[in-house]
Amino acid sequence: NAGVTQTPKFQVLKTGQSMTLQCAQDMNHEYMSWYRQDPGMGLRLIHYSVGAGITDQGEVPNGYNVSRSTTEDFPLRLLSAAPSQTSVYFCASRGDSSGGAGDTQYFGPGTRLTVL
Amino acid sequence: QKEVEQDPGPLSVPEGAIVSLNCTYSNSAFQYFMWYRQYSRKGPELLMYTYSSGNKEDGRFTAQVDKSSKYISLFIRDSQPSDSATYLCAMTSGSSASKIIFGSGTRLSIRP
Repeated sequence: NAGVTQTPKFQVLKTGQSMTLQCAQDMNHEYMSWYRQDPGMGLRLIHYSVGAGITDQGEVPNGYNVSRSTTEDFPLRLLSAAPSQTSVYFCASRGDSSGGAGDTQYFGPGTRLTVL
Repeated sequence: QKEVEQDPGPLSVPEGAIVSLNCTYSNSAFQYFMWYRQYSRKGPELLMYTYSSGNKEDGRFTAQVDKSSKYISLFIRDSQPSDSATYLCAMTSGSSASKIIFGSGTRLSIRP
């Protein structure tokens, strides 16, 4: 199992550009989520999905779109990048979207995004 | 005020010391409490998980939850240089972990 994979590892964008951060998992997990991590702010939930075709907003959804057409993939789209979106982005997945919170959540290695 | 407060550190202790990491929170609905460990330039990994109040032990790690004080702790005994990492507390209210709220993380360094 590759676990949770993310591409690219690094990305530099100019203000106003769009891009898609890719996330895939091979564990057949129902629940997937995107977080951003900024210094002193911890991990903040952007969007999450409890299964294919179902997505919902987290704490900081503005400026980001998601879709979930398959169980495996959960891409995050930045429609018009802004310097405030400079951050490290983590994708995560877990097996049981309705069960105990302790069901292990696996994180990907992260994408470091800089918006100039 | 943030829902979850965590001292960012950095915290530096000698090898073999007992380490205490703490978080406070304001939402009394939180019932599930977790500690994640994050090595530099890596994703977080779940270290400990507890439900409601009480203690949980796993090897050198002990997690404590005091819901009456809205305070959680992680203790590391016989600390090792390999424990050097950022430790994030996290918590959620419902059985569905759709919205896990994280603390900002404490950076820990164990000196050989």
